[in-house]
Amino acid sequence: SQTIHQWPATLVQPVGSPLSLECTVEGTSNPNLYWYRQAAGRGLQLLFYSVGIGQISSEVPQNLSASRPQDRQFILSSKKLLLSDSGFYLCAWSSRGGNTEAFFGQGTRLTVV
Amino acid sequence: AQSVAQPEDQVNVAEGNPLTVKCTYSVSGNPYLFWYVQYPNRGLQFLLKYITGDNLVKGSYGFEAEFNKSQTSFHLKKPSALVSDSALYFCAVRPRSGGYQKVTFGTGTKLQVIP
Repeated sequence: SQTIHQWPATLVQPVGSPLSLECTVEGTSNPNLYWYRQAAGRGLQLLFYSVGIGQISSEVPQNLSASRPQDRQFILSSKKLLLSDSGFYLCAWSSRGGNTEAFFGQGTRLTVV
Repeated sequence: AQSVAQPEDQVNVAEGNPLTVKCTYSVSGNPYLFWYVQYPNRGLQFLLKYITGDNLVKGSYGFEAEFNKSQTSFHLKKPSALVSDSALYFCAVRPRSGGYQKVTFGTGTKLQVIP
């Protein structure tokens, strides 16, 4: 069966520090991968998606970047965190095909202080 | 541009009563439609989806949803609510066109089931 791992679960970082959140998927190949941010426990904002290794599409210009160094690994990064980067970050994957549902990781609660 | 509306921020229902969480969408053509549930500090979990065929879709945990093309709605329903159903529910839509198509999520509806 397929599983998705996302870590860490919580993170407190000072303003101006770097960020690296990692997400890996097991049990599937060539997944579509996604990073979302959820503010105030509500709406989801798609940050990045990837349809293949090295292929990253950005939905919202911001202080963050994403990379996909391996087929089932997706990394969210920042060189210098801002207070506004605080939030709940969710990684997700889906199979190819528009009718497939997404499977989400457990999320990372990031607090920038 | 596609959009999803969940008009109710919160729905309160007594345990044992039927529940409905509303969702309407705007997208070109016939979309794929999804419902997800989120418990506090957790990721979203898939509940059910509409692809084609029967307008009534059955999913996990006794939930079902009805696709209504004329009203562009995909309301989530359950005949008898449980306290454990209390969570945040998201409706999502994806166009049926070829190539990669972005999923758009609604803003979520908090369901509170009262014992």
